Order: sequence, then C-alpha cells, then structure tokens
Amino acid sequence: QQQVKQSPQSLIVQKGGISIINCAYENTAFDYFPWYQQFPGKGPALLIAIRPDVSEKKEGRFTISFNKSAKQFSLHIMDSQPGDSATYFCAAINTVYNQGGKLIFGQGTELSVKP
Amino acid sequence: DTEVTQTPKHLVMGMTNKKSLKCEQHMGHRAMYWYKQKAKKPPELMFVYSYEKLSINESVPSRFSPECPNSSLLNLHLHALQPEDSALYLCASSQGRDPAADTQYFGPGTRLTVL
Repeated sequence: QQQVKQSPQSLIVQKGGISIINCAYENTAFDYFPWYQQFPGKGPALLIAIRPDVSEKKEGRFTISFNKSAKQFSLHIMDSQPGDSATYFCAAINTVYNQGGKLIFGQGTELSVKP
Repeated sequence: DTEVTQTPKHLVMGMTNKKSLKCEQHMGHRAMYWYKQKAKKPPELMFVYSYEKLSINESVPSRFSPECPNSSLLNLHLHALQPEDSALYLCASSQGRDPAADTQYFGPGTRLTVL
C-alpha cells in the first residue's frame, strides 16, 4: 500500500511533442505529490508538486493532472525539448503522519526527446 | 542559494578501507538526509537528521555511520563496505520546520565504487 507505480519506464518523444508520465498510488493518506527531474550525474530536483485538493497544476510547460477518485496523477510536458531529456520520478508523502520526510518514489521514467 | 554540496564527487574504496562522505548546505536548513541510489532506480532513504538529531534510520547496516556535527554539515562514515554498496549517495536538505512537507533539495551525489 506504500507503493507508487510509475509508467512508462522509458519514453521517446519528438521535439515539440507532448510527454506524458503516469503514476498510481493506493494509500489514500498520501496528501502531497511532487515530481522530481534528474539529469545524468546530478541529484534529483523538484520540478512541480500538487496536493489532492486541486485537479491540475501548471508551471510553464509542465502540468500535473490529479484524479483523486482513481488515485492517479500524471505529468504532462508540453512542447518537449531535447533539454527535457532526463529521468523523472513521481513521489508521494503523507505530510500529517509521516515522521520525517520519507518520500515514496515511483520507479522512474527515462525520457528522451529527439531533435 | 539552493545549493547542497557533496564531496568527493567520486570515491573508489576497498572492502577494508574506512572513508567518509561529506555534505554541506548554507541555506539554514535544519533537516538533512542521506539517500542511496542504484542505476536506473529511485533514491532510497537511509537516514534523516532533524535539528542535528537522528530521527530516521531505515534499518541501514552498521557499516554506514551517519554524523551531523552541526546544522550545516552531514557526514556518512563508511567501513567494511561490500561491492553491492556501490551506488550514488545523495544528500538532501529541507527547512526542517515540517520535514514531511518541506521541499527536499538534493546535492549532486558521490559516486561510490567498492572493489
């Protein structure tokens, strides 16, 4: 019940296309869902995050869609660019009962944007 | 400045060696984390320090020994490691007022190889 399932494992998109990464969770106590972007040789960096009281959050070309009833959330990257090529991790956390910041990560999606 | 620095960038050690990894942040954060990341996998939480006190130990073997000398510095002491301990070791920090809800800022990691 602590798992977050992420798909696809890898994704190839043409420049200018839309990249979509999906995550699903079971624990309804999760109440904060961040996405991290990791470039090779670097640590993960927070990209965008959402709480379940909103269905969508947009920051520039990045949008999170959240479906509370289906327990699913997804990252959409509009107008994908080669510089977006990285590994993306969704994550979830229970901010009320969690004792110290333990993020539950999805398995990651390796995105490659072709020029 | 949202930088977490880690040294060294790379480390190769034998199974009988003793070495230390160092992490530093000057953002005034009071929560610091150690993660282990294997290739193409998400980060796995190892330890959390909150206000210089160890608050989470994710059942990590005793050959890994964390230390938080002050609020800006976090060390990970390594002794008698195994080849399967080879991984990217990531440090992160967050404000610490509420570790469960704070954004975690990751360093670039130390690439450790155990021979």
